[in-house]
Parts: sequence; structure tokens; C-alpha cells
Amino acid sequence: DAGVTQSPTHLIKTRGQHVTLRCSPISGHKSVSWYQQVLGQGPQFIFQYYEKEERGRGNFPDRFSARQFPNYSSELNVNALLLGDSALYLCASSPRWGRQGYGYTFGSGTRLTVV
Amino acid sequence: TQLLEQSPQFLSIQEGENLTVYCNSSSVFSSLQWYRQEPGEGPVLLVTVVTGGEVKKLKRLTFQFGDARKDSSLHITAAQPGDTGLYLCAGGKGGSEKLVFGKGTKLTVNP
Repeated sequence: DAGVTQSPTHLIKTRGQHVTLRCSPISGHKSVSWYQQVLGQGPQFIFQYYEKEERGRGNFPDRFSARQFPNYSSELNVNALLLGDSALYLCASSPRWGRQGYGYTFGSGTRLTVV
Repeated sequence: TQLLEQSPQFLSIQEGENLTVYCNSSSVFSSLQWYRQEPGEGPVLLVTVVTGGEVKKLKRLTFQFGDARKDSSLHITAAQPGDTGLYLCAGGKGGSEKLVFGKGTKLTVNP
């Protein structure tokens, strides 16, 4: 079975541009979360979606937005990119919402570099 | 702010040695997860502990959740070069999908 797939794997953007990152969860998983991991730090929570509804939002500016589609795939959008947005963006899926005991399966991430 | 402090930040040992990594917080968590991450990859779940005082063993790895559910430890026996990686602890609270991660412990096991 395919794991969590993210695209693209690497991306270079210029300050002020917009970027869209994509994630396909494990088949049957309805919950998708997004995390930002800056070099040398642990992942930081951005968004969580379940059944196409936003269920949680981290401390990120409104330039960050996301959505989940009927097939449970998800997009993370970032507008007006800043140099500080350079990071590894991780997507995680889980079978259900509110069941942390299952743990999460992470994708390999999208490495975003803003120049 | 819920913070998870991991120690040590860096650890370099020889093959065959034992080691312990710590994860501490002033907050109570309903679950504590440990992940291992290799360069350029996403974190891979090793274990989830949910009960205070719980101990789980995964081959040479032993995980413990503190009685008060504020801290956890990961002990590796007879470390091998394949254990090299970034070990992350992450805490979760009931009713929320948000995980709070520590900064990680970067482990290097030299042959």
C-alpha cells in the first residue's frame, strides 16, 4: 500500500510568490495534518483537517491556508512568501480524528526554499 | 505554551553502548509519541504511550511514560549504526489533533 505522498519534493520560490503543496493520505485515512519543520527544530503544527473540515490551526499567519478535498487529499497554500518560510513541510495522516493513540504516518515532506 | 524539552540535543556514541534520551514538560499530555527521522525524510512513528507509568519495549528500545504524564524517556541497549538519526518526542492532548514536538536528539552511533 502507498504511504503518505507529497508533491513536489523540492521547490524554490522567490520572496512574495505563492506556493501550493499537495498531500495524499494513506488510503482510508480521513485526517490530514500539516507541519512546518525549520532546520534544527522539531515539526510545528500548522493545520489539521478531518472530513473536509478544519479541526485545528496552529500559530501561523493568515498567509497560510489549507483545504481538504472529497477524496481526503489536501493542499497547503502559502501567499506572499518570506525567507523565513523556508522549511520542510510535512503532511501526516491518521485514520480518525481525536485518536492520538494511533500515531501519525508522515510523508517525506516538501523542501521549500525561498530566495 | 506547551513545551517539550529534549536532552541531550546531540549524542555521539560507539556501537554497543547504551543510551537514554529524555523528554520533559511542565504540561500534562494524554499521549506521548516517539519518532525517528532521517535526513530528507519525514518522522517515522516508533511508539505511542498513553498511560502514566507505562513501559513499552520494542526490541532494543525501551520507552517509558512518567507517572504524571509530563515526561518520557527512550533507552536504547547495545546501540547499532542503524540507530543513527534524529529522535523526536511529541505530546498530544485529548480532543485535539495537534502534536507538540520537542527539538529532537540527534544520535550518531559510530561503528
